[in-house]
Amino acid sequence: QVQLHESGPGLVKPSETLSLTCTVSGGSMNYNYWSWIRQPPGKGLEWIGYIYYSGSTNYNPSLTSRVTISVDTSKTQFSLSLSSVTAADTAVYFCARVNNWNPSLQHFDYWGQGILVTVSS
Amino acid sequence: QSVLTQPPSVSGAPGQRVIISCTGSSSNIGAGYDVHWYQQLPGTAPKLLIYGNFNRPSGVPDRFSGSKSATSASLAITGLQAEDEADYYCQSYDSSLSGSVFGGGTRLTVL
Repeated sequence: QVQLHESGPGLVKPSETLSLTCTVSGGSMNYNYWSWIRQPPGKGLEWIGYIYYSGSTNYNPSLTSRVTISVDTSKTQFSLSLSSVTAADTAVYFCARVNNWNPSLQHFDYWGQGILVTVSS
Repeated sequence: QSVLTQPPSVSGAPGQRVIISCTGSSSNIGAGYDVHWYQQLPGTAPKLLIYGNFNRPSGVPDRFSGSKSATSASLAITGLQAEDEADYYCQSYDSSLSGSVFGGGTRLTVL
């Protein structure tokens, strides 16, 4: 059973960079896409982007100028970096496994429990 | 403003049937991309409920069913139970964004 676990600071100052790590256990990262999704308090889900185990990425156009997702398969981890954060970036951040290489079929079958990141001075 | 449109809320009495709609456009559902549904219980991560328009992962009761037509999709829940009270989200792929999109979510209240 694949398990994912997010870790990182729960508080980030405005204009700084948010950095989170997702640790994958119970399965290989190989031949899979891995994603970050966020949910502002009381609001809906927003896809941030995903990374293939080999390192290729795809980002939400609304965030692409500020987002970097990286992977370290030797540690079975992938990471999120979001720069120049504002209060609007306050959200629960989830990592998830993307099922299927075909974009038209892609869905998220395993999720981490989520981590709340608050942007405040 | 979400790319996929869902009703903010639906409700039903125990034992009843409810349907949650998800309306898209020609760049996502209407383009033939699959629709998937997630259930999010309060304070927890979303859980995959339906994938590929109508398929249920192992362990999901057959009270939950999905369908798709033209530019919309639906999630039907029959035999409503108190434990079904949750937020439900649809998700698909959008070719104009080249990525995944979600609906705004629907809160189901079991009366």
